Amino acid sequence: DIQMTQSPSSLSASVGDRVTITCRASQGISDYLAWFQQKPGKAPKSLIYAASSLHSGVPSRFSGSGSGTDFTLTISSLQPEDFATYYCQQYNSDPRTFGQGTKVEVK
Amino acid sequence: QVLLVQSGAEVKKPGASVKVSCTASGYTFTAYYMHWVRQAPGQGLEWMGMINPSGGSTSNAQKFQGRLTMTRDTSTSTVYMELSSLRSEDTAVYYCTRGGSGWYGEFDYWGQGTLVTVSS
Repeated sequence: DIQMTQSPSSLSASVGDRVTITCRASQGISDYLAWFQQKPGKAPKSLIYAASSLHSGVPSRFSGSGSGTDFTLTISSLQPEDFATYYCQQYNSDPRTFGQGTKVEVK
Repeated sequence: QVLLVQSGAEVKKPGASVKVSCTASGYTFTAYYMHWVRQAPGQGLEWMGMINPSGGSTSNAQKFQGRLTMTRDTSTSTVYMELSSLRSEDTAVYYCTRGGSGWYGEFDYWGQGTLVTVSS
């Protein structure tokens, strides 16, 4: 199975900050990498697919980059509604695997 | 608009089975794979398996081999996830999520989740 490792596990930030979360795959996955946002008690929301493509309706302050084994999710200017947990996921091979999550908290 | 509506919460005893439904609307049901993902309390997301609603073929994580059955009813645009031999560690919220039109497609839409509690 491909292991997905996110860092950091949590971070504290303020509204307006630039936030970067990294995700590393244990083997190459090309660009078969997705990012999800989850708020407490809610279903995950799909943000990014193919490493850098935004799903419809996702604000442009979210961006993704990377290929192979190293990937990044960036929020250019953190908004109040962005405080949540973020997960990466590879869909290059089965079983699909997720990172352990990164919780973005209020500083 | 695309909607995935799941069945309600369940409470089951250890050793029992649970069957969760996910009814799709707003798109051609047979054109997209459907996946099941679960989340134990306070934990991360775990992929369980997927079904091709067109032909009914499935693939699941090795961890659930022999316990997980996924089926579909094209007449009602509904997929079902049945997990048997339940144990306390299966207590989780179970989500259906739409995959792509191909085997290795991305997830886009999610159901609201179904809480399954396993307790004696």
